[in-house]
Amino acid sequence: DSGVTQTPKHLITATGQRVTLRCSPRSGDLSVYWYQQSLDQGLQFLIQYYNGEERAKGNILERFSAQQFPDLHSELNLSSLELGDSALYFCASSVGLAGFYNEQFFGPGTRLTVL
Amino acid sequence: AQSVTQLDSHVSVSEGTPVLLRCNYSSSYSPSLFWYVQHPNKGLQLLLKYTSAATLVKGINGFEAEFKKSETSFHLTKPSAHMSDAAEYFCVVSVDTGGFKTIFGAGTRLFVKA
Repeated sequence: DSGVTQTPKHLITATGQRVTLRCSPRSGDLSVYWYQQSLDQGLQFLIQYYNGEERAKGNILERFSAQQFPDLHSELNLSSLELGDSALYFCASSVGLAGFYNEQFFGPGTRLTVL
Repeated sequence: AQSVTQLDSHVSVSEGTPVLLRCNYSSSYSPSLFWYVQHPNKGLQLLLKYTSAATLVKGINGFEAEFKKSETSFHLTKPSAHMSDAAEYFCVVSVDTGGFKTIFGAGTRLFVKA
């Protein structure tokens, strides 16, 4: 158990809908990262937050947004969902700021299915 | 630009035999390199990382990797495979270009036969 929690575990929704994925980092970790894992795109970094501020952006679509709250939990909002958004979404956390220079601890993921 | 190539999408070994998972990278910056393992329906777990210290890096569960700058490789090895090693393995490159940029390899699925 990495100490990172994600809810929900599974999410099934329809095209055009909006969903929110939630992540609670390990106690003491200030950085939160979001990743998307799909069969055709592989594992892709989406976005990083550090202590409430956006710090790095990867291949995140404009239809997607994220935020990190004062209690350090983070939410990833996915809107106008398309079939291709079906994927496993991981959250990870680390103590420090500089991405993979600090070990990241991954949550179990949220599997999103868009029908 | 940065890129990561995992040379084998699948590797199959017998229990007790050596494991070799190959990774080549390309980077305009000094990279940090990582191997992560993902067991079915689980998140990723760090096996080992190279961050410009010793070129031979030892990780968890008996895995190690050697950074070879001249060959731009970071292959993962283990002397003796165990059934519990069956999983997907990702080679990852991270560079600091003013903000960090991380690229994942496509993954190598390791099968271990009894």
